[in-house]
Amino acid sequence: DAKTTQPPSMDCAEGRAANLPCNHSTISGNEYVYWYRQIHSQGPQYIIHGLKNNETNEMASLIITEDRKSSTLILPHATLRDTAVYYCIVRVGGAQKLVFGQGTRLTINP
Amino acid sequence: NAGVTQTPKFQVLKTGQSMTLQCAQDMNHNSMYWYRQDPGMGLRLIYYSASEGTTDKGEVPNGYNVSRLNKREFSLRLESAAPSQTSVYFCASSEAYRGDGYTFGSGTRLTVV
Repeated sequence: DAKTTQPPSMDCAEGRAANLPCNHSTISGNEYVYWYRQIHSQGPQYIIHGLKNNETNEMASLIITEDRKSSTLILPHATLRDTAVYYCIVRVGGAQKLVFGQGTRLTINP
Repeated sequence: NAGVTQTPKFQVLKTGQSMTLQCAQDMNHNSMYWYRQDPGMGLRLIYYSASEGTTDKGEVPNGYNVSRLNKREFSLRLESAAPSQTSVYFCASSEAYRGDGYTFGSGTRLTVV
């Protein structure tokens, strides 16, 4: 699985859009990009995933660059409850396991 | 709608003691996983079970054994606990071969003294 690089921490004001970047320059054609988050000490929670196209669901949007070497997770209107560690994971479709990196600690400030 | 249930939630062991962490899921998922998370670190995969009757090693399997008892239950055993195994342990389940929809338990906080 390709390696990902994320900033260790970010801050965002409540009500603003939070944009979390992820670099995956060695991604291969059959690898998906997944985003999970971990609030405080709870188990991680799935957010969104994509292969080539941009994706949107009720939680977030995922923007993948055309060359697929990087992506951005967007939380459109961040709330205090979005304070968490966000993990960007690249994995081959059909592969069995998810491998977590260090993630980005996102702090939403009032 | 319990999802993934882990027991116990907290445990303190003395070095050399053994214990089994229990995990059960009620979503009819085929695959189950055990991860550990050390302070300030990401999750590391210990063992996983792609389907009932199969188990495979993850990144950090040394010092652990697992049993996939049935489709619902996947246990993790520490035969001789060491202080280096002090960690938070998370169990997860998913449909086989899907990266989305992993459901995690609330974790077991284990301290080995």
